[in-house]
Amino acid sequence: DIQMTQSPSSLSASVGDRVTITCRASQSIRSLLNWYQQKPGKAPKLLIYAVSNLRSDVPARFSGSGSGTDFTLTISSLQPEDFGTYYCQQSYSRPFTFGPGTKVDIK
Amino acid sequence: QVQLVESGGGVVQPGRSLRLSCAASGFTFSGYGMHWVRQAPGRGLECVADISFHGNDIYYTDSVKGRFTISRDNSKNTLYLQMDSLRAEDTAVYYCVREDGGSPLDYWGQGTLVTVSS
Repeated sequence: DIQMTQSPSSLSASVGDRVTITCRASQSIRSLLNWYQQKPGKAPKLLIYAVSNLRSDVPARFSGSGSGTDFTLTISSLQPEDFGTYYCQQSYSRPFTFGPGTKVDIK
Repeated sequence: QVQLVESGGGVVQPGRSLRLSCAASGFTFSGYGMHWVRQAPGRGLECVADISFHGNDIYYTDSVKGRFTISRDNSKNTLYLQMDSLRAEDTAVYYCVREDGGSPLDYWGQGTLVTVSS
């Protein structure tokens, strides 16, 4: 199975800060990388698919980039509602695998 | 709107079986691949099994191979997960998830908790 790693494992930032989360795959996954947000007690929600495509209801402050093995999720100006845990996930090969998550707290 | 509603979770003893169901509505169920994704308490996400739209292609994560069986009934718009020989490490919230054609997991159910404990 393809292994996914994320860094940092957690971060605390202020409203308005620029936040960057990194995801790395153990082998090339081309552009088949998705990002999810999960809030406590809730199911995950798809934010970005195929590296950089925002789901229609996702604010434009979220963006994604990368290719091959290295990917980035950026929140350009952190908002209070952006707290939660963010997971990357590869859909290049089955079974699909997730990164361990990055927990984002608001200072 | 798309809805995925899981049922069948509960407390079960190690070695016993449980069957999860997921009732789908609001979309053409027979046109989408489906997944079971689980999350152990305080842990991350793990794709347990997935099945193609026609049911012919099935994948399992290694830890459940030979114990879990995913299936679907397109006439009933329902996804299933038969879990046999359950272990304590199978304790988790199990989510039913739709796979979009481009392969992101675009809709998730609310989850059903499975607790394996004596």
